[in-house]
Amino acid sequence: QQQVKQSPQSLIVQKGGISIINCAYENTAFDYFPWYQQFPGKGPALLIAIRPDVSEKKEGRFTISFNKSAKQFSLHIMDSQPGDSATYFCAASIRTKETSGSRLTFGEGTQLTVNP
Amino acid sequence: NAGVTQTPKFQVLKTGQSMTLQCAQDMNHNSMYWYRQDPGMGLRLIYYSASEGTTDKGEVPNGYNVSRLNKREFSLRLESAAPSQTSVYFCASSDRIRWISYNEQFFGPGTRLTVL
Repeated sequence: QQQVKQSPQSLIVQKGGISIINCAYENTAFDYFPWYQQFPGKGPALLIAIRPDVSEKKEGRFTISFNKSAKQFSLHIMDSQPGDSATYFCAASIRTKETSGSRLTFGEGTQLTVNP
Repeated sequence: NAGVTQTPKFQVLKTGQSMTLQCAQDMNHNSMYWYRQDPGMGLRLIYYSASEGTTDKGEVPNGYNVSRLNKREFSLRLESAAPSQTSVYFCASSDRIRWISYNEQFFGPGTRLTVL
């Protein structure tokens, strides 16, 4: 059972456009929402993350919008570039024991293509 | 600083064969994870080790075993490979800072496994 649902599965955007990827979660115990970026043949890498006590976080061209009441969050990529072409995963985490790691539950992934 | 390394990069097995995927990290992280990535399903947690000496099941543990050999190394074993285990396997590591409720996970480059 997928606890984090991501859409769309694939997205094609023109250079300079805005890319928007959406995620919805079910478990209200989630306390951390990161986005990971994965280039072909590589492992995922953390792009940006948000905690549920804020509604928006911006880092350069990347912004996370968070709606706690709707249990939804989204990634916006402004001025999309061909170098942004990658697979993007949203995720959610629940803190476990204080000395333990945090488990991540990932969405299904979105393959973004930015055309020049 | 190599980060997270995985061996082998590619492997082809016949049904019923066994093998061990190796993972090592040089960041002195406490927690290590094994994921599998399948098209349209995101990354799913197989097993994780919150700290040296402990291991716990993730979302899809059936057919796998793990060993946390020491703080640096975390191996994943397939005792009797099945075609359903054809996937890309990622190892990740993270550390935990007590006053922050999350920790970034650092991923290796992956092992592409095909079971015939």
